[in-house]
Amino acid sequence: NAGVTQTPKFRVLKTGQSMTLLCAQDMNHEYMYWYRQDPGMGLRLIHYSVGEGTTAKGEVPDGYNVSRLKKQNFLLGLESAAPSQTSVYFCASKNSDSYEQYFGPGTRLTVT
Amino acid sequence: AQRVTQPEKLLSVFKGAPVELKCNYSYSGSPELFWYVQYSRQRLQLLLRHISRESIKGFTADLNKGETSFHLKKPFAQEEDSAMYYCALVSGSSNTGKLIFGQGTTLQVKP
Repeated sequence: NAGVTQTPKFRVLKTGQSMTLLCAQDMNHEYMYWYRQDPGMGLRLIHYSVGEGTTAKGEVPDGYNVSRLKKQNFLLGLESAAPSQTSVYFCASKNSDSYEQYFGPGTRLTVT
Repeated sequence: AQRVTQPEKLLSVFKGAPVELKCNYSYSGSPELFWYVQYSRQRLQLLLRHISRESIKGFTADLNKGETSFHLKKPFAQEEDSAMYYCALVSGSSNTGKLIFGQGTTLQVKP
């Protein structure tokens, strides 16, 4: 049981490049979330999903897109990376009838 | 506006000293609050939920609606308590499970 996994662990992008971060969970959780963690700002919600095929905006969605084509996967896309998107990205999931979110190990992204 | 504030970026104490990590929130209605912890090289994980009112690893947290606070306390800090601690509030409808996190406090327990 791997829990929540994230791919890749690290990535360096140039401004304007695109990439997709993959989050996978093997706990059959309905809900999934993408956060970014920045020094002094805590974790901020980017997008979330309450079920397969559904997504919604969080607190800081601009510059990101997401897709939830399969229940176990939640993809976060950056179409045109900017230095302001340099951050550590965390994915989390939870059951619809539970309160605890389970987090992945994080992806450290640097945009130069 | 819904908000969580952790006023201390860093809290440094000696082993055996009492610890209090502060958390204040802004929320209209009945808040649902948590403490999450991130130990070095480990994932963020749930430490406490205010409704459960239990003690985990010697930590407790009491919801004070009058002061809109949910401070995390431990009477005697241990070196293994050193970590980043986040206070979190369920945002809006609890059906989505969205969390609003505070800025985080790094707890450093010195030997």
